[in-house]
Order: sequence, then C-alpha cells, then structure tokens
Amino acid sequence: AQKITQTQPGMFVQEKEAVTLDCTYDTSDPSYGLFWYKQPSSGEMIFLIYQGSYDQQNATEGRYSLNFQKARKSANLVISASQLGDSAMYFCAMREALYLQTGANNLFFGTGTRLTVIP
Amino acid sequence: DTGVSQDPRHKITKRGQNVTFRCDPISEHNRLYWYRQTLGQGPEFLTYFQNEAQLEKSRLLSDRFSAERPKGSFSTLEIQRTEQGDSAMYLCASSLVPGQGMHEKLFFGSGTQLSVL
Repeated sequence: AQKITQTQPGMFVQEKEAVTLDCTYDTSDPSYGLFWYKQPSSGEMIFLIYQGSYDQQNATEGRYSLNFQKARKSANLVISASQLGDSAMYFCAMREALYLQTGANNLFFGTGTRLTVIP
Repeated sequence: DTGVSQDPRHKITKRGQNVTFRCDPISEHNRLYWYRQTLGQGPEFLTYFQNEAQLEKSRLLSDRFSAERPKGSFSTLEIQRTEQGDSAMYLCASSLVPGQGMHEKLFFGSGTQLSVL
C-alpha cells in the first residue's frame, strides 16, 4: 500500500487566491511526522512545513498552513495569497517513528502535485 | 551557509559506463542522504550516512551502486555498468541529528540528472 497519496496531479490557482493541496497517508505507527516540500524547476527540494502526529494544533509557516485531520489520515497543505513564484511541484512526505527505533531513517514521499499560479 | 551542492548537475553516459556523483552537505550537518527521483514520482530513499558510517541501504540500491562518505563530510555515489533504468535525478540531502522532541529537517541539493543512452 502507498504510504503517501497525492490525488491531484495538477492544480491551477489564480494569483492572490488560496489553494489546498491534498495529502493522505497510511501508517499503523502512532508516532510519525508529516512534511511538505516544494520543488521548483531548478530541482531543489525546499522544506515548507512540518506536523507531528501528537501536535495539538495545525502547523503554520507564513502563508503555508497544514490542515491536519488525524482520524482521516489527511494532511492537506493550504497556501494563502498565492504568488507566481509558488508555481512548482509540491510533495507530501512522512517519516514513521518506528524507523527511528530500528536505525532506519526513511522519508516516504508522495507522487506530487504540480501547482500553476495564473496571473 | 552555502547549502547542499551537487556535482555535476547533468550527466549523460552510455550504457555500461561507470559514473560518480559528488555531494557536499551543509558543513555542520552530520547526516547525509541519497535519494533517486524518476519522472512523475517523488524521491525514493537510497541510503544515508551519519558522519562517516553508512547506516542504512534501501533494497533499491543494487550491487552496482556504492556510496561513500570517507571523512564524514562530502559523499560520492558511484553507479557501475550503468543501465537505461538508472536514468533519474539523484538528490542529496543533509541534516543535523535532531534533539529530543525535535523533528529532523532535510536540506536538499539541486540534484544530478543522469541520462543513460
């Protein structure tokens, strides 16, 4: 089974509008971390935001916020006030705490969503 | 802090040749990761080092792949007898071992795009 599922291959948003990028995950580990990364055409993966499974509040970082619904196993990224520079691939990722105990250290990535901001 | 740098940015090679990529992590980072990313997919974990010790290797890392981090600083990833299926972006990332209760934040380089003809 896929650990991370991103069902939107591509999304379009008008400049200055908000957009939600979907992410669902699958784990039986009660302790895990969820990450979002941005990958512009240059190829570099840029860390955006982190949510721990025990965090009580949704994470926020500037214009980025994470809509964490633990029971639904979803961790959607919300980008407010979209800018042209937000056009990129966005990847959701998860690390399970089990891996930290075993010495393994695998970050599982989804297949990504390509966001295009329209002027 | 100059970020994670990878060299070369692009590599074109013929099937059967050997190739070597280099990654220079952020200087104080003690963990270094290699990932592979194919078109339309997210990055897949290959291996990681803590200082000079290689702590984990994915089953994706066949015997033709070898990675080293001899002095706990830069790392090299070598692919022997390349195959067309090796064509991908090879990403390097580095991080600091997180403190108690902190999450580990990976900093990625821009990758090496390998094309095997």
